[in-house]
Amino acid sequence: QVTLTESGPTVVKPTQTLTLTCTFSGFSLSTDGMGVGWIRQPPGKALEWLALIYWDDDQRYSPSLKRRLTIAKDSSKNQVVLTMTNVDPVDTGTYYCAHRSLFWFGAFVYWGQGILVTVSS
Amino acid sequence: QSVLTQPPSVSAAPGQKVTMSCSGSSSNIGINHVSWYQQFPGKAPKLLIYDNTKRPSDIPDRFSGSKSGTSATLGITGLQTGDEADYYCGTWDTSLSEEVFGGGTKLTVL
Repeated sequence: QVTLTESGPTVVKPTQTLTLTCTFSGFSLSTDGMGVGWIRQPPGKALEWLALIYWDDDQRYSPSLKRRLTIAKDSSKNQVVLTMTNVDPVDTGTYYCAHRSLFWFGAFVYWGQGILVTVSS
Repeated sequence: QSVLTQPPSVSAAPGQKVTMSCSGSSSNIGINHVSWYQQFPGKAPKLLIYDNTKRPSDIPDRFSGSKSGTSATLGITGLQTGDEADYYCGTWDTSLSEEVFGGGTKLTVL
């Protein structure tokens, strides 16, 4: 059974750095084809992809947010960390981490429950 | 504005069939695999369709996906009130080098 859980601060001040952790079980990020992605959703709006990391440490970022994002994995702890610098109120939303598998043709197969992050002074 | 275009809303009566579209381009849907996700209010998205037409084992065969050229379609037959949700399509855009989603379609079962 695959599970993912997001954790981190729920309120962040503008210009601060947001660090979110995805702790997962049921698969290994050391296994070929496995990946974890981050997707966010502003209140009442659509899904927006942020970043991906694969078993081989291949990292992909949203071009519009690339300069502000860092994704890293700790396979021994079954965790993926997303860092976003210089946050702004427009970064408010629910942040999801999701399991991605190349064997599922790149789909986000399992999702965490999400964490609502509010950027406000 | 989303790279993939979905109608904001669709509706149909219980028991009927509904389809919803996802329009893209030659750099995304045209050459990559499309996924569909179902999202209930306040809940995380759930994978419905992957690789354009395949269903995870826990998804009933009332849900189907298809792709033609640069467009994809999600179909739902035997509509139930419990199918009322937002539906998103997603795929990789090779030119943009990013995962792209549609703006979502809200399904109402009248």
